[in-house]
Amino acid sequence: EVQLLESGGGLAQPGGSLRLSCAAPGFTFRSYALGWVRQAPGKGLEWVSTISGSGVDTYYADSVKGRFTISRDNSKNTLDLQMNSLRAEDTALYYCARSSGFNYGNAFDSWGQGTLVTVCS
Amino acid sequence: EIVLTQSPGTLSLSPGERATLSCRASQIFSSSYLAWYQQKPGQAPRLLIYGASNRATAIPDRFSGSGSGTDFTLTISRLEPEDFAVYYCQQYGSSPLTFGGGTKVEIK
Repeated sequence: EVQLLESGGGLAQPGGSLRLSCAAPGFTFRSYALGWVRQAPGKGLEWVSTISGSGVDTYYADSVKGRFTISRDNSKNTLDLQMNSLRAEDTALYYCARSSGFNYGNAFDSWGQGTLVTVCS
Repeated sequence: EIVLTQSPGTLSLSPGERATLSCRASQIFSSSYLAWYQQKPGQAPRLLIYGASNRATAIPDRFSGSGSGTDFTLTISRLEPEDFAVYYCQQYGSSPLTFGGGTKVEIK
């Protein structure tokens, strides 16, 4: 069974930083692209970022480009999202999701339960 | 950016009825890159349909997807109590990846 276990959420001040992590046991980690999708309270889903299975290719939503960095460690089966220059509008539940293929361009077939990020002063 | 517009915003139906959800795109794209997700309160989204019409693993056959070009449809042939939820369409063929705003299927 695919498991995706997010951690690292919490309270941050505007302009501050947080680092989210996603542990992913139970599948051939390096064979799949991974992504982050967020959901503001009471709102819909918003894609944040995707990284290819090799980690070479990364993609970002315009709303986070230049502030967030996605990375992965295929030796440890972990995915990270470094979030800098946080804004109030970054407040959301952040889901780690597995893409059904190696590259960008596949649906997300497995999701974690999410980690909550709250940005306020 | 491909904008996805879902309608209706809310669908009020009774168990056993048929549900038809619409997803319209702002520009034509390949149906190979259209997915549908179900999300229940307090839960993560679950993949239902990929490639516009392919059911994901363990998805019951009362769920079906269709469409091409800019117009896509998710149909639930006979609503079961566990099907009352929010449904999102998503395109994943171009960057940025985008989701529709969602359709809530509620019990009438």
